[in-house]
Amino acid sequence: QVQLVESGGGVVQPGRSLRLSCAASGFTFSSYTMHWVRQAPGKGLEWVAVISYDGSDPYYADSVKGRFTISRDNSKNTLYLQMNRLRTEDTAVYYCARGIGGYVSNYFDYWGQGTLVTVSS
Amino acid sequence: DIQMTQSPSTLSASVGDRLTITCRATQSISSRLAWYQQKPGKAPKLLIYQASSLESGVPSRFSGSGSGTEFTLTISSLQPDDFATYYCQHYNSYSLPFGGGTRVEIK
Repeated sequence: QVQLVESGGGVVQPGRSLRLSCAASGFTFSSYTMHWVRQAPGKGLEWVAVISYDGSDPYYADSVKGRFTISRDNSKNTLYLQMNRLRTEDTAVYYCARGIGGYVSNYFDYWGQGTLVTVSS
Repeated sequence: DIQMTQSPSTLSASVGDRLTITCRATQSISSRLAWYQQKPGKAPKLLIYQASSLESGVPSRFSGSGSGTEFTLTISSLQPDDFATYYCQHYNSYSLPFGGGTRVEIK
């Protein structure tokens, strides 16, 4: 069965960095576009970033462009999100999600359980 | 960028009620719209894609309709397990916005 397991969340000071990972299993990881979606406490869902199946095309929400980098290692079935220059408004649960329905313009059929990132001094 | 607006933001209902949630886009998105259900502390779950296609395993009391700029999610007979928050999401561009969510609570 499809499983997505995020890790790497925690408490970090503003301006610092953090790297999230998402370990995938139960499907051919290298065939699917993958995404990061976040949810601030008590708020709605916000799409963050997408990376194409082969890692060649990343796209970002304006709110994280220039600070976050999405990447993947298809040999390890793992998705990453490198988060630099973190801000308090980046505090959220970060979900990885499998994309379907197009090249990168996807809906999400499987989600991980999420990892909490708290940016606070 | 295209924005998605859901209404209402909160809906009070009883078991057995028929519910309709609306999602509007600021410009046409064809039928490239998905609906998700989220319960507290859990990841979202895909219900509907391509505006009206039911995801495998989702009960048939859920249905979606619409195209262009206006879409609806209907629950034909609300069940206890359906009290949750529902989100629409458009996927016709390189930004993938969600609606603000509709919380369905017990009346």
